[in-house]
Amino acid sequence: ELKVEQNPLFLSMQEGKNYTIYCNYSTTSDRLYWYRQDPGKSLESLFVLLSNGAVKQEGRLMASLDTKARLSTLHITAAVHDLSATYFCAVDYSGTYKYIFGTGTRLKVLA
Amino acid sequence: DTGVSQDPRHKITKRGQNVTFRCDPISEHNRLYWYRQTLGQGPEFLTYFQNEAQLEKSRLLSDRFSAERPKGSFSTLEIQRTEQGDSAMYLCASSLAWGHKAEKLFFGSGTQLSVL
Repeated sequence: ELKVEQNPLFLSMQEGKNYTIYCNYSTTSDRLYWYRQDPGKSLESLFVLLSNGAVKQEGRLMASLDTKARLSTLHITAAVHDLSATYFCAVDYSGTYKYIFGTGTRLKVLA
Repeated sequence: DTGVSQDPRHKITKRGQNVTFRCDPISEHNRLYWYRQTLGQGPEFLTYFQNEAQLEKSRLLSDRFSAERPKGSFSTLEIQRTEQGDSAMYLCASSLAWGHKAEKLFFGSGTQLSVL
């Protein structure tokens, strides 16, 4: 069974600082997604990573995928308050389109 | 609005009652997913449809749960004989996907179920 773990689970950071969220998964997959969820809201798709070495960037967020290490990272550059949210990674379980989500990283950016 | 819509937004029921939720996906989206999310956790996969065919169903899903997508458009999720452990946010998502191409899931706002 596929397990998806994220760390840290909680992250409190100052505005302007950089940080990285990690997503590890337990079985082979070549399709990984990152989502954002604001409190009381639904999920918003951020990135789709489809191959080893894939890197996607949008604004202050950059995601990468290392399929050999079964690891994805979401890097935050010069954080701003608007990035405060919970971030989830989701992995396609063996090409079944059954997406397994991590436990999430709750990010709080302090002004 | 062309987003994914779910109805109702909130449902309070007594233990043992049956409940049914509806999801209207984005039109022309061929895949539809149901997830369940409890506070502080990531969404948990329940099932998904390709058009009207139910292709995957979580082994964690008990026989009390059933989902349909009769004409490949809207979907319903029914929970029979609800239990307090069923209390959660039920999320629906849809996507337009062909073969193994990347798909982007669009999520609805969810139905919050509270079982008393």
